Amino acid sequence: GENVEQHPSTLSVQEGDSAVIKCTYSDSASNYFPWYKQELGKRPQLIIDIRSNVGEKKDQRIAVTLNKTAKHFSLHITETQPEDSAVYFCAATELGGADGLTFGKGTHLIIQP
Amino acid sequence: DGGITQSPKYLFRKEGQNVTLSCEQNLNHDAMYWYRQDPGQGLRLIYYSQIVNDFQKGDIAEGYSVSREKKESFPLTVTSAQKNPTAFYLCASSEQGLPQHFGDGTRLSIL
Repeated sequence: GENVEQHPSTLSVQEGDSAVIKCTYSDSASNYFPWYKQELGKRPQLIIDIRSNVGEKKDQRIAVTLNKTAKHFSLHITETQPEDSAVYFCAATELGGADGLTFGKGTHLIIQP
Repeated sequence: DGGITQSPKYLFRKEGQNVTLSCEQNLNHDAMYWYRQDPGQGLRLIYYSQIVNDFQKGDIAEGYSVSREKKESFPLTVTSAQKNPTAFYLCASSEQGLPQHFGDGTRLSIL
């Protein structure tokens, strides 16, 4: 089955700086890679996703890049703000396949004022 | 995300007791999922169902059971065989090829 590794487990950055979270996956059949943001005690919320037919996707201050050859994908947050503080999860799956999402263990992003 | 309702929000289980967590969706999604979240472990898949009257074990199904008698409902039973049930349980649903959306979760604790 799929295995997703996520790094770092904790990331502290100064407000206004950029943050990068990296994930690797093992199953070459995976073709869908969402990122979720989870605030304390709340549900994970989808913030951006990418499919294997593109290498990069942007949405305002958030971007995701995908390298299918190396089996890794990254989340980039620019101009970080205090409200970006949360736990971020990457995930991978094969759309239309039999399994659900396989999640990384999460990154606790701390924005220092 | 509107459309996925989990209840109760908090649940307490006594030794030897089975408890059932409710998940209802009005999004008309075919697929539904149950995840368990522990600190530092991310989300782990317990069971999933791609269609009514069918479900599959995930990575950590032991000690849990599910049913899918209706499209909109996917209840999870935590049985007495699950020796470490304290966790945050999340239900999700999706349509084929589209992202999963989560409910607000149920926090289960042992008395």
